Amino acid sequence: GAVVSQHPSRVICKSGTSVKIECRSLDFQATTMFWYRQFPKQSLMLMATSNEGSKATYEQGVEKDKFLINHASLTLSTLTVTSAHPEDSSFYICSAKRQGIDTQYFGPGTRLTVL
Amino acid sequence: DQQVKQNSPSLSVQEGRISILNCDYTNSMFDYFLWYKKYPAEGPTFLISISSIKDKNEDGRFTVFLNKSAKHLSLHIVPSQPGDSAVYFCAASARDSNYQLIWGAGTKLIIKP
Repeated sequence: GAVVSQHPSRVICKSGTSVKIECRSLDFQATTMFWYRQFPKQSLMLMATSNEGSKATYEQGVEKDKFLINHASLTLSTLTVTSAHPEDSSFYICSAKRQGIDTQYFGPGTRLTVL
Repeated sequence: DQQVKQNSPSLSVQEGRISILNCDYTNSMFDYFLWYKKYPAEGPTFLISISSIKDKNEDGRFTVFLNKSAKHLSLHIVPSQPGDSAVYFCAASARDSNYQLIWGAGTKLIIKP
């Protein structure tokens, strides 16, 4: 089956620092990867869609300069939270899909805590 | 190795009938289960959840059943409505894994008029 991993699973950082989260498709090539954010007891919110080799498409209200997304290869996408603040503390989840197949495979998520 | 499996990629149900979506898991440490609904081009929307101390949780038309011995849960939608047509994801988490969500691959539900 298709497996998506995220690293790190949990990160605690100081306010003002930057944090990078990796999303990898382990056994398939992901032409498209999605980044979601989830607040406690709320639904996932789509932040951006990234296609390999091109710029990410951000959802309305998501700051492009704050949440940097790179999809440099067919198996790796990264989300960098720049100059993190306590309000950025959340659960970030990625998903990946193969070209031509609708199913999204989700990663286990990364819990970010900004002190 | 998929710890959460949704073996039916799609399901077609007549409007007004019951829709039953199934999910199996392998990790006995999972203690919290969730169902999400997702429309195309939108993020998943939380539907209903169940803790491992319960075997049933009901919210309006949606009921989730948990069978711990079989490591199986199901989502029942009664009666099914056209707006229920979407992809449904099952997810599981465990306290000792910091409640990271492990997701199934989803089942596409199609409600026929």
